[in-house]
Amino acid sequence: ETGVTQTPRHLVMGMTNKKSLKCEQHLGHNAMYWYKQSAKKPLELMFVYNFKEQTENNSVPSRFSPECPNSSHLFLHLHTLQPEDSALYLCASSQHRGLESGANVLTFGAGSRLTVL
Amino acid sequence: GNSVTQMEGPVTLSEEAFLTINCTYTATGYPSLFWYVQYPGEGLQLLLKATKADDKGSNKGFEATYRKETTSFHLEKGSVQVSDSAVYFCALSDTPGNQFYFGTGTSLTVIP
Repeated sequence: ETGVTQTPRHLVMGMTNKKSLKCEQHLGHNAMYWYKQSAKKPLELMFVYNFKEQTENNSVPSRFSPECPNSSHLFLHLHTLQPEDSALYLCASSQHRGLESGANVLTFGAGSRLTVL
Repeated sequence: GNSVTQMEGPVTLSEEAFLTINCTYTATGYPSLFWYVQYPGEGLQLLLKATKADDKGSNKGFEATYRKETTSFHLEKGSVQVSDSAVYFCALSDTPGNQFYFGTGTSLTVIP
């Protein structure tokens, strides 16, 4: 399999559930990202990992917990979410941070559509 | 700071019409500029990019020219097809840091 793969594609959960989103990339990239896409809002960067180290956390509530066990896999653990957290969660990867800007192109997965009841 | 502003949608065009989606940016350094496209039910895909002033990015009949003097990167296509219906995002990436800044997206619908 090639590119960036996200699972599950759709997830419905209650506010008290614990679930995880998974992202896997087969591109040999070393940077991975979580973005949140909500209707009529700009893409929101949530977390960035560069060579497995978290380099950015954009004031994301602690009910979202990322994990990056290696450069190919990224998880987003979800716990006690709110209805306003319903959105499309996009994973992306790139070669690595610190490259000349034009060389560090983001490749996105298809997203995980999350609905919180 | 860095930011991207793109025209509000939605845009509806007839097949074979000319397309322009405006994008302007604010940047403190010398960014690279991108257009991404999102088809229904999918993630964003890179459509084209330009890394320095006066560069023209092109792909699948789409073009955009990096204009430093007007801080713009407008997307154009001479003859749109129904299959071009999607949401288009303008973005910039700075150096160093590689932080990406996205516009809010412009929805395009092409009708036969």
